[in-house]
Amino acid sequence: ILNVEQSPQSLHVQEGDSTNFTCSFPSSNFYALHWYRWETAKSPEALFVMTLNGDEKKKGRISATLNTKEGYSYLYIKGSQPEDSATYLCAFFPGSARQLTFGSGTQLTVLP
Amino acid sequence: SAVISQKPSRDICQRGTSLTIQCQVDSQVTMMFWYRQQPGQSLTLIATANQGSEATYESGFVIDKFPISRPNLTFSTLTVSNMSPEDSSIYLCSAAPGREDLTDTQYFGPGTRLTVL
Repeated sequence: ILNVEQSPQSLHVQEGDSTNFTCSFPSSNFYALHWYRWETAKSPEALFVMTLNGDEKKKGRISATLNTKEGYSYLYIKGSQPEDSATYLCAFFPGSARQLTFGSGTQLTVLP
Repeated sequence: SAVISQKPSRDICQRGTSLTIQCQVDSQVTMMFWYRQQPGQSLTLIATANQGSEATYESGFVIDKFPISRPNLTFSTLTVSNMSPEDSSIYLCSAAPGREDLTDTQYFGPGTRLTVL
């Protein structure tokens, strides 16, 4: 069983604050790391798929970094807005498996 | 990209009954998956739906409990059989339109919220 941990479990920030959270995964046999954003009653939305150590991806105010050697990825949100409120999921894909293993998510609430 | 719809969006069912969830993708896709999220838990893969052959089930999930069909490259169904309250979850359909190595984006449906009384 692969261990994919996300922290914190939940987070409340004020509108305009920048924030970040962590996804930890096994550092061996890395193939890909996915980030998703999941709003209640909607489909999980793909944010990034990261495959290379040191990779950095950006989409608007959201960015992510990847360290495969130490087994972690950070997701950053700059200038949080209430519409950023959602659960952010990471999912690890090792080369030895045919499935994504998901973390339990970080639930972000941005207060106006 | 792929847009995925699921029916029903939610249901409340009695213990011992079965529910079939439908998943429709707006384009042909290589791989389709069914996930479950129990309350307070991570998304867990139930099975990979294979077109024209039996689904591939993950450890802890069996065909008798979760029969899956995939008659073509855009449609799949998941049946939750002989339901018990422990089956109360969100069930999500997912598709990977491109490569089979999961280094490409996976797309998800909006989920089916199932409550079993």
